[in-house]
Amino acid sequence: IAGITQAPTSQILAAGRRMTLRCTQDMRHNAMYWYRQDLGLGLRLIHYSNTAGTTGKGEVPDGYSVSRANTDDFPLTLASAVPSQTSVYFCASSRAGVSTDTQYFGPGTRLTVL
Amino acid sequence: QKEVEQDPGPLSVPEGAIVSLNCTYSNSAFQYFMWYRQYSRKGPELLMYTYSSGNKEDGRFTAQVDKSSKYISLFIRDSQPSDSATYLCAIGSSGSARQLTFGSGTQLTVLP
Repeated sequence: IAGITQAPTSQILAAGRRMTLRCTQDMRHNAMYWYRQDLGLGLRLIHYSNTAGTTGKGEVPDGYSVSRANTDDFPLTLASAVPSQTSVYFCASSRAGVSTDTQYFGPGTRLTVL
Repeated sequence: QKEVEQDPGPLSVPEGAIVSLNCTYSNSAFQYFMWYRQYSRKGPELLMYTYSSGNKEDGRFTAQVDKSSKYISLFIRDSQPSDSATYLCAIGSSGSARQLTFGSGTQLTVLP
C-alpha cells in the first residue's frame, strides 16, 4: 500500500440501506478527512479527525458518522442512505490537522443511492 | 454568496497557450491559498501553495494572490495536453484544516 486506499471503488445502493466506505492510509498521518464532491459544489468536508480517537463535524455531517479507532483507518458510515447522498466520496489525510499541511487524497468512491 | 467562487468552465485551449484560472473569495480572514489538480476519476493532488500576496512560480505554473481584491489566479504557460484536468482552488483560514474551503473547480482541456 502506498498513500491512501479507498473501498469500494463504486457502489450502487438502495435507499434505506446502511453502507460503510473504507479508507486506509499508510503514511502515519495524524489527520484524516472525508469529503464529498458534487458537480458545481466542489469538495465539501463531511467529517474529520485530527488524531486517533477524536473526530469532528465538517460542513455537511448530517446522515454520516465516522470513527477513528487507530491511525491508519477512518471509515465513513451512512446509517440509512438517501438519494441526496449520491456523490463521489474522497478520503484525505495530512501530517497534522492544520490548513498549511498538504492533504493527500485517495482515488474516491462513487456512490449511487437509488 | 459562496465563500469561494470559481469559474467552472469548461475551458478549452490549444497546446502552447497560456491559461488563466481564477477564484474570488469573500472572507478577508483567509490566509492560505492552494491550487489542486484533479485528473479524471482521480483524487485531487496539491499543485501549488502560497500564503502571501504576489506571485509564486514553479516551472510552467505561477500562482498569484491579490489579497486586496480577494482574487487568486493560476497561470499555466506553454500548456500541454497532460495539463488537461480539473483545477480547484482551496483557501484556508487560521490553522485548522477543517476551515479549508474548496472552489467548485475549473475543467481544462488542452488540445494537441
